[in-house]
Amino acid sequence: DSGVTQTPKHLITATGQRVTLRCSPRSGDLSVYWYQQSLDQGLQFLIQYYNGEERAKGNILERFSAQQFPDLHSELNLSSLELGDSALYFCASSPGLGPSSYNEQFFGPGTRLTVL
Amino acid sequence: AQSVTQPDIHITVSEGASLELRCNYSYGATPYLFWYVQSPGQGLQLLLKYFSGDTLVQGIKGFEAEFKRSQSSFNLRKPSVHWSDAAEYFCAVGSRSNDYKLSFGAGTTVTVRA
Repeated sequence: DSGVTQTPKHLITATGQRVTLRCSPRSGDLSVYWYQQSLDQGLQFLIQYYNGEERAKGNILERFSAQQFPDLHSELNLSSLELGDSALYFCASSPGLGPSSYNEQFFGPGTRLTVL
Repeated sequence: AQSVTQPDIHITVSEGASLELRCNYSYGATPYLFWYVQSPGQGLQLLLKYFSGDTLVQGIKGFEAEFKRSQSSFNLRKPSVHWSDAAEYFCAVGSRSNDYKLSFGAGTTVTVRA
């Protein structure tokens, strides 16, 4: 158990819908990362938050957005869903930023999203 | 841009045999290198990491990896594989100049036969 929790574990929805994925980082970790894992794209970095502020962006679609709340949990919002958005979405957390704290990203178990 | 290549999509190895998974990266400066393992239905677990210093790093579960700058490689090895090592393995690279974002390879699936 990494200490990172993600809910829900599975999500089945229809095209055009909107869903919210939730992540609680390990206690004390300030950084949260979101990744998408799909068969055709592999594991792709989406976005990172640090202490409530957006820190880095990767291959995140405009239909997707995220935020990190004062209690440090994070939510990933996916809207106007398409079939191709079906994937496993991982959240990871780490203590902070910089080489001294860039040690390990602890991954949650993921949320499997199926868009029908 | 940083990138990672794992040339082997699938490797089958006998239990007790040695295992080597290849990883090549593309990046100008010294990258931060990682190996993660993903068991079926699970998240990713860090096996080992390289930031600087000794180019041979030891990780958990008996794994080790060697950073070779001249070959832009960071291959993962295990002397004797156990059935529980069957999983998917990902090599990843990060860098300070890229805000520490991790770029992952496509992964190598390891099957262990009895």
